[in-house]
Amino acid sequence: DVKVTQSSRYLVKRTGEKVFLECVQDMDHENMFWYRQDPGLGLRLIYFSYDVKMKEKGDIPEGYSVSREKKERFSLILESASTNQTSMYLCASISGGTFYEQYFGPGTRLTVT
Amino acid sequence: GQQVMQIPQYQHVQEGEDFTTYCNSSTTLSNIQWYKQRPGGHPVFLIQLVKSGEVKKQKRLTFQFGEAKKNSSLHITATQTTDVGTYFCAGYSSASKIIFGSGTRLSIRP
Repeated sequence: DVKVTQSSRYLVKRTGEKVFLECVQDMDHENMFWYRQDPGLGLRLIYFSYDVKMKEKGDIPEGYSVSREKKERFSLILESASTNQTSMYLCASISGGTFYEQYFGPGTRLTVT
Repeated sequence: GQQVMQIPQYQHVQEGEDFTTYCNSSTTLSNIQWYKQRPGGHPVFLIQLVKSGEVKKQKRLTFQFGEAKKNSSLHITATQTTDVGTYFCAGYSSASKIIFGSGTRLSIRP
């Protein structure tokens, strides 16, 4: 079974802090994604990566950056956390292109106070 | 930009009643996927539809992809308490961009 893990289930940070969210997948998938999930808005794509050191902006990249130094690990960085970044963050990976299912991690619920 | 609208946002049904959620895209999709997210859980892949007019069934669940590949539906016959959760569609454009619908949350009265 594919396993996607995220570094924390719950995280509380203060406004202005730098926040790192880590995602690791164990199935050698090329593509990895970061989404945020908010009530009534569904899943919105923040960034994705199709290879090591490669990244592409999704629909809402502002205020976020990403890092992919190793194939299995994809990190989401909030340079200076703000209260409007309080959300559920979901990481996903996919073995191929658009005709493959996405495997999601358990999610990190981030609260910024 | 491309949008995928999903309705209804919420549905509360009596156990045994049917349930349907609909997705409509502003552009033609190359394929569409459906995911289920249980309360407190993460989205889990259910199925993918690729062909125009395609219909697929998984036990009590029936998935349809419209002839124009711009809309899709998920129908559950005779709901059970295990069906509780939020159902998302995810449409892929020809540019390989994925857009998730906003989800339909299904709750069930036993």
